[in-house]
Amino acid sequence: QKEVEQNSGPLSVPEGAIASLNCTYSDRGSQSFFWYRQYSGKSPELIMSIYSNGDKEDGRFTAQLNKASQYVSLLIRDSQPSDSATYLCAVGGSQGNLIFGKGTKLSVKP
Amino acid sequence: ETGVTQTPRHLVMGMTNKKSLKCEQHLGHNAMYWYKQSAKKPLELMFVYNFKEQTENNSVPSRFSPECPNSSHLFLHLHTLQPEDSALYLCASSEQGTGNYEQYFGPGTRLTVT
Repeated sequence: QKEVEQNSGPLSVPEGAIASLNCTYSDRGSQSFFWYRQYSGKSPELIMSIYSNGDKEDGRFTAQLNKASQYVSLLIRDSQPSDSATYLCAVGGSQGNLIFGKGTKLSVKP
Repeated sequence: ETGVTQTPRHLVMGMTNKKSLKCEQHLGHNAMYWYKQSAKKPLELMFVYNFKEQTENNSVPSRFSPECPNSSHLFLHLHTLQPEDSALYLCASSEQGTGNYEQYFGPGTRLTVT
């Protein structure tokens, strides 16, 4: 059973701080990794994709991938109250689907 | 807006009703998906269609019946559902259905079975 694990949180950070979200996955052969943001009552919104080891930056977001450790993370710099949401880690599956973690709830306090 | 629309946004149905969920994507993608999201559980894949062909049925009960008439439209036909089927049903699309492509979700249909 291929799994994606995330700390459910809640993770609470002050406004302006760096939020660090972590994810581990079980399938060593996985090739594609995604971070989605989901506001309460809304559908998941893609914010980052990463396919190679290392860092990928997009604005305030940085995704980090370490395939040897089967670990992917998302850093949010200068966190804002509007970043408060549940962040879902997803890994590309062999069935053509994405395998999702349960998500980490982030709360950014003003 | 992601370019994926779903209707209806909310649906309440009895256990003996028949209803259908509709999804349409305007992104030129070739793969479409149905996912189920229940409280306290990760998103669960239900069906995958790649170039209109169903490539995955993730052990979904037969009371859920998908239909994909073309690469832009996807339906989920519902009949004799159970209360435990109450959930958020999400449609997604991607360029191809290999798991390596970014998937974009519609707004979802919040289903309540009474």
